[in-house]
Amino acid sequence: DAKTTQPPSMDCAEGRAANLPCNHSTISGNEYVYWYRQIHSQGPQYIIHGLKNNETNEMASLIITEDRKSSTLILPHATLRDTAVYYCIVRVATGNQGGKLIFGQGTELSVKP
Amino acid sequence: GAVVSQHPSWVICKSGTSVKIECRSLDFQATTMFWYRQFPKQSLMLMATSNEGSKATYEQGVEKDKFLINHASLTLSTLTVTSAHPEDSSFYICSANLFTEAFFGQGTRLTVV
Repeated sequence: DAKTTQPPSMDCAEGRAANLPCNHSTISGNEYVYWYRQIHSQGPQYIIHGLKNNETNEMASLIITEDRKSSTLILPHATLRDTAVYYCIVRVATGNQGGKLIFGQGTELSVKP
Repeated sequence: GAVVSQHPSWVICKSGTSVKIECRSLDFQATTMFWYRQFPKQSLMLMATSNEGSKATYEQGVEKDKFLINHASLTLSTLTVTSAHPEDSSFYICSANLFTEAFFGQGTRLTVV
């Protein structure tokens, strides 16, 4: 699986949009971009994933550049509960039979009042 | 979403004893589950892939005789830390895939004294 590069930490004011960047310049054509977050001492939580089109769900939006070499996770209105480590991962979406996730160092997002 | 449950949430054991951690997929079947370990202030490290009805696949550097994995049914995988030592103290997390998404357990905090 391709490696990703993320800034180690970011701050965001409560109520503002949090934009978390991720570089994945060696991504393959069949690899998806996944985002997970981990709140302290809990298991990771799925946020969103995409292949090449922008995606939006109730938690966040995912913007993938046209060349797919980078992406941005957007939390539109960050709250204190969004404080967590955010992981950007690229992998082949192979369903139940495989598709292990290899975690990088992630971005520690601190949402401040 | 799908639920993956780990038991126990935390355990303290004496050095030299063995500890078993359970990972269950509560509302779906998983032929493959994954075990991760996480030390403080570090990212998740994949230890092994648990395969139902066959031997687990261990990542490089992970001792298979120390970390015994059993995946006897489609909803249960167990990780046994044998002859535990203080350096095995860590946060252990399992995951299972459903379609293209990975679901994580809440983690097990192991402290070896």
